[in-house]
Amino acid sequence: KQEVTQIPAALSVPEGENLVLNCSFTDSAIYNLQWFRQDPGKGLTSLLLIQSSQREQTSGRLNASLDKSSGRSTLYIAASQPGDSATYLCAVKETSGSRLTFGEGTQLTVNP
Amino acid sequence: DGGITQSPKYLFRKEGQNVTLSCEQNLNHDAMYWYRQDPGQGLRLIYYSQIVNDFQKGDIAEGYSVSREKKESFPLTVTSAQKNPTAFYLCASSIGPTLGETQYFGPGTRLLVL
Repeated sequence: KQEVTQIPAALSVPEGENLVLNCSFTDSAIYNLQWFRQDPGKGLTSLLLIQSSQREQTSGRLNASLDKSSGRSTLYIAASQPGDSATYLCAVKETSGSRLTFGEGTQLTVNP
Repeated sequence: DGGITQSPKYLFRKEGQNVTLSCEQNLNHDAMYWYRQDPGQGLRLIYYSQIVNDFQKGDIAEGYSVSREKKESFPLTVTSAQKNPTAFYLCASSIGPTLGETQYFGPGTRLLVL
């Protein structure tokens, strides 16, 4: 059974710092990996989706990388801002079926 | 505007009561999903539907029921058999069940037990 783990569970940084969020998964036979953002009490917003054949995806100050063989993905946030404060979740979609398996999330606080 | 709506935003359940959470989408998506989120945890799949009049159990279906009579609607009923229903419930949809498609999420319903 696929298991997804995110470290750290919480992270607090000063504004302007570059930071990395980590996601690991136990079964490397994935089809894609997705990073989501969740604001308190809200639904999820998709940030980046990386197909299994890709190594990374970029959107603005966000860069997500994927190393399928080692079962790891990282989300890099450059020049963090207070508006980046949220919980970030990664989810993997397996080769068979349509379900997503989610990690527990990393709660990020960017202090002004 | 296209999107997914969930109602109500907050829902209170009394002991032994069944309650129904609404999920509607106007994105013309075939697939719809229900997730449960507990504090500090990721999302767990309750039920999903890949097409009208068809649905499958997810990882934690016990104590829940769904229907999919219309493409745009996928209501979730939390029955009295669900002994620990307090959680944040999220509905999502995707274009179809085929692989690689992004899921779009609604704003969620928070269910509390009185």
